[in-house]
Amino acid sequence: NAGVTQTPKFRILKIGQSMTLQCTQDMNHNYMYWYRQDPGMGLKLIYYSVGAGITDKGEVPNGYNVSRSTTEDFPLRLELAAPSQTSVYFCASRLDTEAFFGQGTRLTVV
Amino acid sequence: GQQLNQSPQSMFIQEGEDVSMNCTSSSIFNTWLWYKQEPGEGPVLLIALYKAGELTSNGRLTAQFGITRKDSFLNISASIPSDVGIYFCAGQPWGGGADGLTFGKGTHLIIQP
Repeated sequence: NAGVTQTPKFRILKIGQSMTLQCTQDMNHNYMYWYRQDPGMGLKLIYYSVGAGITDKGEVPNGYNVSRSTTEDFPLRLELAAPSQTSVYFCASRLDTEAFFGQGTRLTVV
Repeated sequence: GQQLNQSPQSMFIQEGEDVSMNCTSSSIFNTWLWYKQEPGEGPVLLIALYKAGELTSNGRLTAQFGITRKDSFLNISASIPSDVGIYFCAGQPWGGGADGLTFGKGTHLIIQP
């Protein structure tokens, strides 16, 4: 099993550009999450999904959008990139309580 | 939202020393998890705790779920260089729903040769 796979691993965006961070999991988990990690700040929840077709906002959703058309995939969309979105983004999935994380996408907006 | 206070924020220790870190919450948690994150990687689960008072070991790591359900600690015995990383506590609040885990801000462990 590959677990949770994120692409790309690194990306540099210009202000105002858009991009999609991809996340896929092969564990058939219903719950999927997007977090951002800033230095010294831990992990903050952006969006989450409890199953295909269902998404909901987390603690810091502004500037982001998500979709969940399948159980496996949970892409995160940035429409108008801003410097405040420079961060490391982690996708995670869980079946019960324990969450499993991807390797992260390091995004820099300049 | 829920807040988890994790301490210390960073630790500078000598190889071979024991390490202790903890997390506290103002509200009750029904699950405590401890993760380790190495540079350039995502957090990896080390230990999961499900019952108040539970003490669980994973090799040189030992974690406990506090009796009050509002705290947890992680000990690492006889530290080695590969223990370097950021350790996060995470919890599922009592009555919490699908919005996942609440995370502490992490303890950065640095081992000096």
